[in-house]
Amino acid sequence: ELQLLESGGGLVQPGRSLRLSCAASGFSVSSHFMSWVRQAPGKGLEWLSVIYSGGSTYYADSVKGRFTLSRDISRNTLYLQMNSLRAEDTAVYYCARDGGQQDYFDYWGQGTLVTVSS
Amino acid sequence: DTVMTQTPLSLSVTPGQPASISCKSSQSLLHSDGKTYLYWYLQKPGQPPQLLIYEVSKRFSGVPDRFSGSGSGTDFTLKISRVEAEDVGVYYCMQSIQLPLTFGGGTKVEIK
Repeated sequence: ELQLLESGGGLVQPGRSLRLSCAASGFSVSSHFMSWVRQAPGKGLEWLSVIYSGGSTYYADSVKGRFTLSRDISRNTLYLQMNSLRAEDTAVYYCARDGGQQDYFDYWGQGTLVTVSS
Repeated sequence: DTVMTQTPLSLSVTPGQPASISCKSSQSLLHSDGKTYLYWYLQKPGQPPQLLIYEVSKRFSGVPDRFSGSGSGTDFTLKISRVEAEDVGVYYCMQSIQLPLTFGGGTKVEIK
């Protein structure tokens, strides 16, 4: 069964770091474009970052220079390293699989909540 | 960035009645490859989004045929022919013709 399972969320102070994980099963993360999308409480969806099957990564301006997307093919897991966290980064973070090549998201994880607060 | 504008913000619909949501993009979503990179998602309460429609009008696997998408260029519409109780949630359009991928602000659909 195809599944994405995020972990690593929690309460963190402003300026600190956190690393989110997205463990995939049922497919290989290296064979698909994979993205992170977040949703602030009561707000809409915001795309953050993508890693292409070839390994290239791209970021939204809101997180560029602070967040880093990587993957471990041996663990079939994506990571989102989040540094210099701000209150406005508080959100549920979802990983999502691209069903094509920069196409649609056909599978999403259940999300992990990150709260940035002192 | 491509701005996606959805209307209305919310809809209250009687079961069995139709519903329609509009999505307008600030740039054409028609690519030179002939595809139009416009998608519709439904986020049910407490769940992640789920794909309904891809490439304007193609229903994703398992999506009931009461959902349909139409449009071209910069103007798109999602229609529900007969709303059911399970259709409640927030509907989002999304473009993927260029990075950053962008979503509409969402349309909340509730049942009267």
